[in-house]
Amino acid sequence: DAGITQSPRYKITETGRQVTLMCHQTWSHSYMFWYRQDLGHGLRLIYYSAAADITDKGEVPDGYVVSRSKTENFPLTLESATRSQTSVYFCASRLHRGGYEQYFGPGTRLTVT
Amino acid sequence: AQTVTQSQPEMSVQEAETVTLSCTYDTSESDYYLFWYKQPPSRQMILVIRQEAYKQQNATENRFSVNFQKAAKSFSLKISDSQLGDAAMYFCAYRRFRSGGYQKVTFGTGTKLQVIP
Repeated sequence: DAGITQSPRYKITETGRQVTLMCHQTWSHSYMFWYRQDLGHGLRLIYYSAAADITDKGEVPDGYVVSRSKTENFPLTLESATRSQTSVYFCASRLHRGGYEQYFGPGTRLTVT
Repeated sequence: AQTVTQSQPEMSVQEAETVTLSCTYDTSESDYYLFWYKQPPSRQMILVIRQEAYKQQNATENRFSVNFQKAAKSFSLKISDSQLGDAAMYFCAYRRFRSGGYQKVTFGTGTKLQVIP
């Protein structure tokens, strides 16, 4: 299906485990983003990528790792999950040019026990 | 730094009535974009409406319209003829304008809208 997808939609993991959240978009958008959504904070940017092999930190990057070997994929890895990383994670993408909207994926609800 | 403030954590409206959600922002820039996003219980973030700061005319999309007051740095969303499907969390967002490169999008903390049948 065309669009932006995330997997898994729900994940429960234990403290200290490594977790990877997947994001895939079919539009060939240059920019991709990872946000986390927590009550009282709105959406906060974790990492973004301007193109394949180009990534940069956002507001809250600590404890996360990203990679982008292909334009369409932008996985987010929690190297050693902590309870504070319990959140809803959104992937988004945007065209390179123009001040236009970001298109969001459906989100992944991650619980770290 | 840019900030976006939504001072109403929750609001309610009767079906078919009109409701206005408030948003204020702080910036020193003159060119920027403002957005309202809707997040229904499905969690999917959907763009409702966009306003370019250089445009004086308020943006309108069907039942959704904005009241953009640049001098006051205010960007409220009006929903007319409210429907049950409008029940959602609404986020106001700001993005500085630049012709290329990454520009951070700053989101407010959201307003939860309840529509009463």
